Amino acid sequence: NAGVTQTPKFRILKIGQSMTLQCTQDMNHNYMYWYRQDPGMGLKLIYYSVGAGITDKGEVPNGYNVSRSTTEDFPLRLELAAPSQTSVYFCASSSRTGRNTEAFFGQGTRLTVV
Amino acid sequence: AQTVTQSQPEMSVQEAETVTLSCTYDTSESNYYLFWYKQPPSRQMILVIRQEAYKQQNATENRFSVNFQKAAKSFSLKISDSQLGDTAMYFCAFSTTSGTYKYIFGTGTRLKVLA
Repeated sequence: NAGVTQTPKFRILKIGQSMTLQCTQDMNHNYMYWYRQDPGMGLKLIYYSVGAGITDKGEVPNGYNVSRSTTEDFPLRLELAAPSQTSVYFCASSSRTGRNTEAFFGQGTRLTVV
Repeated sequence: AQTVTQSQPEMSVQEAETVTLSCTYDTSESNYYLFWYKQPPSRQMILVIRQEAYKQQNATENRFSVNFQKAAKSFSLKISDSQLGDTAMYFCAFSTTSGTYKYIFGTGTRLKVLA
């Protein structure tokens, strides 16, 4: 039972490079989320999805893009990486059925942009 | 828009003692969910406890319990018989019961349990 799997766990990018953070879940959850965690700032929502083919912006979407072609996968794309995107990124999912109200999180990706 | 506030950036407690972490929130919704998540040094986000706003009874999970004051929009976490393994960052979170089901997080409280 893998839950939410994120890859990679760590990455160093140079300014201007691009990359995709992968996220997959095996719980058949409709709702998926991308958060970034900065020291002292808590978790800020970047993008979210309520189902395959449907995505929407969160609080801090600038510099990121997402897609949701399947229920399982929700990749986050960083275009033209900037130092301000140095952060820990979390993918999460939830089903919101019955008593299943909580979000399940991946183990996070620590990204450093230099 | 909903907001979640955790006013204690850091706290410490002696092993076996009790500690309370504070959380306040703001919403115009009448029904919603509240959560406490634990983030140990491993970085994994772990659900500690949840509360449904329509339930008046405070949730408990073993050594963890909440004091939910709906009128005051307060949701504190009490940890009894603190253990070294409780050392972690604790996040309070809010979520609606309809719509997009987004989760709004506070800024966290770093708890250190002292031997």
